[in-house]
Amino acid sequence: KNEVEQSPQNLTAQEGEFITINCSYSVGISALHWLQQHPGGGIVSLFMLSSGKKKHGRLIATINIQEKHSSLHITASHPRDSAVYICAVRGSGGSNYKLTFGKGTLLTVNP
Amino acid sequence: DVKVTQSSRYLVKRTGEKVFLECVQDMDHENMFWYRQDPGLGLRLIYFSYDVKMKEKGDIPEGYSVSREKKERFSLILESASTNQTSMYLCASRQNNYGYTFGSGTRLTVV
Repeated sequence: KNEVEQSPQNLTAQEGEFITINCSYSVGISALHWLQQHPGGGIVSLFMLSSGKKKHGRLIATINIQEKHSSLHITASHPRDSAVYICAVRGSGGSNYKLTFGKGTLLTVNP
Repeated sequence: DVKVTQSSRYLVKRTGEKVFLECVQDMDHENMFWYRQDPGLGLRLIYFSYDVKMKEKGDIPEGYSVSREKKERFSLILESASTNQTSMYLCASRQNNYGYTFGSGTRLTVV
């Protein structure tokens, strides 16, 4: 079982819809990252979270440390949001150099 | 704007060749990482370096080595390329307790 599980694997939405991508993890962490990867492109870091909630434009990320769960929300989705969204956790203690990645959620937003 | 630059976007090499993938960051970051990304497997850590001349094996170091002679440059070396090393390779850097910055990736094909 992967230490980081994302759901759904694939998500198709219509422009304007509210989108939620979920991430659950099973290990103690020092931080959780949400990353975005466009087709053929590099990876962009969207958020780094260790508690609570962060907002950037139409993107909102939340984390519940007790439940070992994080969500990424996109409000008023747009076709340019189409990308793979990846959740990654950084371990605590001696493993805090490493990121463990989920397998990603492929989001397609249709006009 | 801060940057992680990977020397090639696309590379085709022959089986048995020695391959060098170069990564340079301009942010004076301490930590640098090499990942490979494969469909269905997500990103996996090959090697990382937490300081000049320091290196640690990641989850899949077999068939690879690394070099970090200067703080800004982290090289991944495939000693004798094999077809199962065909993949997307991503370099990243991080300053302690901050987020990650990724390069644009190198898509390596070994024929």
